Amino acid sequence: DAKTTQPTSMDCAEGRAANLPCNHSTISGNEYVYWYRQIHSQGPQYIIHGLKNNETNEMASLIITEDRKSSTLILPHATLRDTAVYYCIVRVSGSARQLTFGSGTQLTVLP
Amino acid sequence: ETGVTQTPRHLVMGMTNKKSLKCEQHLGHNAMYWYKQSAKKPLELMFVYSLEERVENNSVPSRFSPECPNSSHLFLHLHTLQPEDSALYLCASSQDMNIPYNEQFFGPGTRLTVL
Repeated sequence: DAKTTQPTSMDCAEGRAANLPCNHSTISGNEYVYWYRQIHSQGPQYIIHGLKNNETNEMASLIITEDRKSSTLILPHATLRDTAVYYCIVRVSGSARQLTFGSGTQLTVLP
Repeated sequence: ETGVTQTPRHLVMGMTNKKSLKCEQHLGHNAMYWYKQSAKKPLELMFVYSLEERVENNSVPSRFSPECPNSSHLFLHLHTLQPEDSALYLCASSQDMNIPYNEQFFGPGTRLTVL
């Protein structure tokens, strides 16, 4: 699976959009981009995934660049409850065995 | 009850004790996973089961012994642990290991402290 690079930490003001970047420059054509988050001392929670098209669900939007070498997770209106570590994971479709979690980005939403 | 549940949520044990962690999923999934998360470290996959058969074992010490009696239940039996085994142990499940997309659902974890 391709390696991902994320900033260690980010702050965001409550009510504003949080934009979390992820670089995956070695991604291959059949690898999906997944985002999970982990609130302190809880299990990780799935947020969204995509292959090459932008995706949106009730939690977030995922913007993938045309060359697929990077992506951005957008939380449109961040709340204090969105404070968590956000993990960007790249994995081959059908490779169902494991998620390789890196260090992620600690997002702190400030009041 | 819905989702993935884990019991106990917190466990303190001595190095000579034997204890078991329990995971139950109410999602009708076929695959279940144990992960370990030590302080300030990424999640580490320990074991994977698909249809009650172990399909992956990531060089985990034998003092950790998994058991999957059916597709809804997963146990992690612990014996003669070391203080460095203190961590958050997370269980997860997914629908099926052979479908293209396979989101994992995590339980809340068991916070284990070995004295």
